[in-house]
Amino acid sequence: GENVEQHPSTLSVQEGDSAVIKCTYSDSASNYFPWYKQELGKGPQLIIDIRSNVGEKKDQRIAVTLNKTAKHFSLHITETQPEDSAVYFCAPPGAGNMLTFGGGTRLMVKP
Amino acid sequence: DTEVTQTPKHLVMGMTNKKSLKCEQHMGHRAMYWYKQKAKKPPELMFVYSYEKLSINESVPSRFSPECPNSSLLNLHLHALQPEDSALYLCASSPRTGAYEQYFGPGTRLTVT
Repeated sequence: GENVEQHPSTLSVQEGDSAVIKCTYSDSASNYFPWYKQELGKGPQLIIDIRSNVGEKKDQRIAVTLNKTAKHFSLHITETQPEDSAVYFCAPPGAGNMLTFGGGTRLMVKP
Repeated sequence: DTEVTQTPKHLVMGMTNKKSLKCEQHMGHRAMYWYKQKAKKPPELMFVYSYEKLSINESVPSRFSPECPNSSLLNLHLHALQPEDSALYLCASSPRTGAYEQYFGPGTRLTVT
């Protein structure tokens, strides 16, 4: 099955700085690469995703980059704000095309 | 309406009780999911329904019994649970199974005493 690793597990940044979270996967057949954000007391919510026919996708302050050769994709958040504080999960599909969640990254943005 | 609702928000039950968790979506999605999430861990897939039929059971103990009465509703019946079953139970839906965005509800926080 899909083996997904996420780094770092915790990340603390100053407001206004950038944050980068990396996700490494094992299944070379994966073709869908989503990032979910989970705030306290809520379920995960998709914030950005990319399919394997593109290398980068941007949505305002959030971007995802994909390196299929190296089997990793990254979440980039620029100009971080306190409301970006949350747990972020990558979730590339694995066996049966079901989402396989990484271990999560707790992002803390200090005002 | 892109909302998945779950009831109740919190549930405390004894090990001999029988209770049910409910999930509802009105997005016309034909895939629905139950996940279990322990503190500081990622969601773990429990069950998948596709077109109201159970398609995946991730070796979940029989004390958890899912039910999909129609395309908008998903239930999880609980019986004779153990304290280690205490967790956040998340429901999600997507247009179909596969590489699609999943919409998650807020979850039911379950405590087994």
